Amino acid sequence: QVQLVQSGAEVKKPGASVKVSCKASGYTFTGYYMHWVRQAPGQGLEWMGRINPNSGGTNYAQKFQGRVTMTRDTSISTAYMELSRLRSDDTAVYYCARGWELLAQKGLDFDYWGQGTLVTVSS
Amino acid sequence: QSALTQPASVSGSPGQSITISCTGTSSDVGSYNLVSWYQQHPGKAPKLMIYEGSKRPSGVSNRFSGSKSGNTASLTISGLQAEDEADYYCCSYAGSSSRVFGGGTKLTVL
Repeated sequence: QVQLVQSGAEVKKPGASVKVSCKASGYTFTGYYMHWVRQAPGQGLEWMGRINPNSGGTNYAQKFQGRVTMTRDTSISTAYMELSRLRSDDTAVYYCARGWELLAQKGLDFDYWGQGTLVTVSS
Repeated sequence: QSALTQPASVSGSPGQSITISCTGTSSDVGSYNLVSWYQQHPGKAPKLMIYEGSKRPSGVSNRFSGSKSGNTASLTISGLQAEDEADYYCCSYAGSSSRVFGGGTKLTVL
């Protein structure tokens, strides 16, 4: 069965960086895009960007350009999202979610989600 | 990219039908038949309910249906059940690999 298992909660100071991992199992990791979505406390979902695990190519939401880096390690089927220059309003639950099949460019989108990683930014 | 517009809340009684709207622009909802809908219960990860505007993933009840007209997509839930009480989010492809979410709608089953 498909599973996405994320790393544990983090507490960071303003200005620091955080790196969240998302380990995939139960499917071909390099065959599907991986997206990152965040949700601030009591707020809605916000798309951050995606990575093509096969090529490593990335697309980021304009809001996060210059602050976010998405990478992957295909040897361990794991995707990473690093957010730098953290601010208090970056406090949120960060999710990874499986996107389209690479060759499809449509279809089931965000059909599997990680359990979420709470990142708290506080001085 | 501005968030898609959803009503903050909707409500209905058990057995009734409700519809949640999701309004975007000609750059997202209006240009692509690639709107998805997600259900989120408190403290849980979202769950995919509808994709490509009107398709249901395996295992999702046929009480959930989706449609689109122009720049507005809609999610209809028929035969409301207590377990349907949750937050619902729409999400559209917006070109150049990007996505945009709606602000979310809280469904209350009276």
